[in-house]
Amino acid sequence: AQSVSQHNHHVILSEAASLELGCNYSYGGTVNLFWYVQYPGQHLQLLLKYFSGDPLVKGIKGFEAEFIKSKFSFNLRKPSVQWSDTAEYFCAVTGQAGTALIFGKGTTLSVSS
Amino acid sequence: EAGVAQSPRYKIIEKRQSVAFWCNPISGHATLYWYQQILGQGPKLLIQFQNNGVVDDSQLPKDRFSAERLKGVDSTLKIQPAKLEDSAVYLCASSLQNTGELFFGEGSRLTVL
Repeated sequence: AQSVSQHNHHVILSEAASLELGCNYSYGGTVNLFWYVQYPGQHLQLLLKYFSGDPLVKGIKGFEAEFIKSKFSFNLRKPSVQWSDTAEYFCAVTGQAGTALIFGKGTTLSVSS
Repeated sequence: EAGVAQSPRYKIIEKRQSVAFWCNPISGHATLYWYQQILGQGPKLLIQFQNNGVVDDSQLPKDRFSAERLKGVDSTLKIQPAKLEDSAVYLCASSLQNTGELFFGEGSRLTVL
C-alpha cells in the first residue's frame, strides 16, 4: 500500500540551529514529492515540490529537500531555522497518473528564540 | 486571487446529528478534494472530483458521508449521522492541474459530542 512515513513527531530547536526532517515513502512507480507547511492559525501551503530533474530542490524561506530514489526518501533541510519557522510540516507523495496526495502524519517544529 | 473558501469554520454537534460543509475552490480549478484531518495525523483523502465527476471516493465512508459537486464548481460534504470518531478538521483543496500542487482552505473543524 502507498504510504508516507515521517520520522520525527516533534522537533524542538533553538534559533540558528540546522534542521533536517526525515520522510520516506512507499509508492510503486514514478512519484511527485512535496512538503507542505501549516503555520499556526493558517492553512496548509506548499513549501516545495519535486517532479523530476535535479534531486535537490529549493523552496520558499530557505528550505530545500533532497530526493534519494534508492532510499525512497525526501528529507527536508534548512541550514539555520528562525522562530518564524515554528509550524507543522507534512511530507506528501502522489503518482504521476494524477492520483491524489498521500500525506505523512506530520512533524511539529518548535523554534525557540 | 481569492483562495479556497470553506464554511462553517467551526461546528459542534451531538452524535447522530447531521452536518454539512461547503467549499468554493479557486476559480478555474477543475479538481477539488475533501480531506479529513484527525488530531495528530496527516490529512486523509475522502473524495476527489474532476469537474463534477468523482475520480476517487474509495476512502469515503459511504454509509454516513456523501459529497457532491453538481455544477463542477462549489462542493458540499455531508455527514449523517455523525459519530464521535468523525471529530476532525475537514479540509477542502483545489488544483489547476492534477499534479499534487494543492491549494487548501482554512478547514472546517467538527466536534461531535
